[in-house]
Amino acid sequence: KAGVTQTPRYLIKTRGQQVTLSCSPISGHRSVSWYQQTPGQGLQFLFEYFSETQRNKGNFPGRFSGRQFSNSRSEMNVSTLELGDSALYLCASSSVRGSTEAFFGQGTRLTVV
Amino acid sequence: GENVEQHPSTLSVQEGDSAVIKCTYSDSASNYFPWYKQELGKRPQLIIDIRSNVGEKKDQRIAVTLNKTAKHFSLHITETQPEDSAVYFCAAVYSSASKIIFGSGTRLSIRP
Repeated sequence: KAGVTQTPRYLIKTRGQQVTLSCSPISGHRSVSWYQQTPGQGLQFLFEYFSETQRNKGNFPGRFSGRQFSNSRSEMNVSTLELGDSALYLCASSSVRGSTEAFFGQGTRLTVV
Repeated sequence: GENVEQHPSTLSVQEGDSAVIKCTYSDSASNYFPWYKQELGKRPQLIIDIRSNVGEKKDQRIAVTLNKTAKHFSLHITETQPEDSAVYFCAAVYSSASKIIFGSGTRLSIRP
């Protein structure tokens, strides 16, 4: 069974641009959540999607958004990029919501210059 | 609010000794507590987890304990080996959501 796949692996963008990251969950998994990892703030929850609906959202500005498609693949979008958005963005998939193992993708390393 | 505190932030132990990492969570709605290991440049990987109806769980050299009353949980690694060097994250998950609240991480170094 294929693992969680994130694309692209690396990305360099300029301040003010926007970016879209993609996450394909493990086949059969319907829950996808996104996290931002930075040296200073650690791993922070961005949002969770289940059955194409955003179920939870973390404390990030509205520039961060996402969606989930009917095949459970998810995308996150960051508009008007700032230098502080440079981070590793990880997605995780779970078979169901809640108390179950989450499997992480390898992440997308975003650098904003 | 939802918060997980983790201590210590760095830990160095002699190979063969034990390592203990402690976490505290704030929201009593948490009922699932996974621990992740992240090696440099790699994704977090689950090493052990415990649910709120269990007080202790062991898997070879790794054990986790949970005190639900005090909202404390801990990771114990015995007979540490060089390959245990990594950053370890504790986490709390809420019963009806796939929303992981992570601790700040512990960088574990094993001295030869």
